Amino acid sequence: GNSVTQMEGPVTLSEEAFLTINCTYTATGYPSLFWYVQYPGEGLQLLLKATKADDKGSNKGFEATYRKETTSFHLEKGSVQVSDSAVYFCARSNFGNEKLTFGTGTRLTIIP
Amino acid sequence: NAGVTQTPKFQVLKTGQSMTLQCAQDMNHEYMSWYRQDPGMGLRLIHYSVGAGITDQGEVPNGYNVSRSTTEDFPLRLLSAAPSQTSVYFCASSYAAPLGLPSSYEQYFGPGTRLTVT
Repeated sequence: GNSVTQMEGPVTLSEEAFLTINCTYTATGYPSLFWYVQYPGEGLQLLLKATKADDKGSNKGFEATYRKETTSFHLEKGSVQVSDSAVYFCARSNFGNEKLTFGTGTRLTIIP
Repeated sequence: NAGVTQTPKFQVLKTGQSMTLQCAQDMNHEYMSWYRQDPGMGLRLIHYSVGAGITDQGEVPNGYNVSRSTTEDFPLRLLSAAPSQTSVYFCASSYAAPLGLPSSYEQYFGPGTRLTVT
């Protein structure tokens, strides 16, 4: 079936550190891949997406590249800020419908 | 443009009580869905709808009912609340995927309803 495996947290980094959150997906069909972010007390919002192999999604300094050969979509940011503290979810679409399969989420805390 | 709205924000129920969580969107999205979020389990799909009059079960539908009489509204009913239904519930909406293709459309989420069943 369709699944997403995401790096377990929590992750704590100092401000300006480099961030990587790993995500791998099952290679069923040709999914679109997403990263959603959830700030404290809020719903999820789309951070970035990629719809085909080798596409790179980017937003707010975050990047992720759709790697078909390794079935991965790792989230990276070169220099994190305190305001990046949130829970990050990797997700994939399912063939033929709108349903999303989410990873379990990674809680990120950035300390000044 | 309010996006996706959910009411109430918080609710406490006793075991066996029933209630309806409300969800509305003003973006004319065909697709709407309900998720529950539990620690360590990410988001799990409860029910979804691809248009008015059409609903289907997701991953964890037991104990929940939905209906979609209009494009805008997608209420979630708990028939007889159980402690296992203590969770945070999110409603989401998006445009429908092109026929036979995976969706690349963004899903818009409401702010959530935190439900406690005692």
